[in-house]
Amino acid sequence: GQQLNQSPQSMFIQEGEDVSMNCTSSSIFNTWLWYKQDPGEGPVLLIALYKAGELTSNGRLTAQFGITRKDSFLNISASIPSDVGIYFCAGLRYSGGGADGLTFGKGTHLIIQP
Amino acid sequence: DGGITQSPKYLFRKEGQNVTLSCEQNLNHDAMYWYRQDPGQGLRLIYYSQIVNDFQKGDIAEGYSVSREKKESFPLTVTSAQKNPTAFYLCASTQTGGAYEQYFGPGTRLTVT
Repeated sequence: GQQLNQSPQSMFIQEGEDVSMNCTSSSIFNTWLWYKQDPGEGPVLLIALYKAGELTSNGRLTAQFGITRKDSFLNISASIPSDVGIYFCAGLRYSGGGADGLTFGKGTHLIIQP
Repeated sequence: DGGITQSPKYLFRKEGQNVTLSCEQNLNHDAMYWYRQDPGQGLRLIYYSQIVNDFQKGDIAEGYSVSREKKESFPLTVTSAQKNPTAFYLCASTQTGGAYEQYFGPGTRLTVT
């Protein structure tokens, strides 16, 4: 099965810096989702995007659904230590009976140096 | 509290044994999903069910089986036919006909030796 191309693979930043990561796909998705996962835990949903071109914010997080429906980016402003973790993008397609399973990127590992 | 529970958190089995992982949700969600995560990788879809008594194969269904006898429960059996069963297994659910946002359980780490 397809996996999304997510970059960068890892980021080492200073506390207070802004962060940007993105996902691209060769095919179209109906919905883009961004998750954060802490070690040994399940992913937690951060932001969901439903329309091409949509820009959505959740606190210090901002995400956009690309116009072509084949890409999305996530920005985190003024990073803090609790932002450390692995961020995943996920694309979703709808079928006649409902939602198919998610297609995931391989994740961006965010490491913050105090 | 509403949510998704997976048990146990850690599971150890000998090679050649079948093992069943539990997933229960009290969110009244219609659809449930099983994913597998390997170190340094994203999640890959094993099986999903959009309604009771019906389920579909995902990208990596070989060596796994599921059942959906109740809306709240979607157990996954890892059979002896699965060549590399050691992994972190995650269950998710979503409400159909709506936003389709998937919410995840805490996961079960299965180690087969």
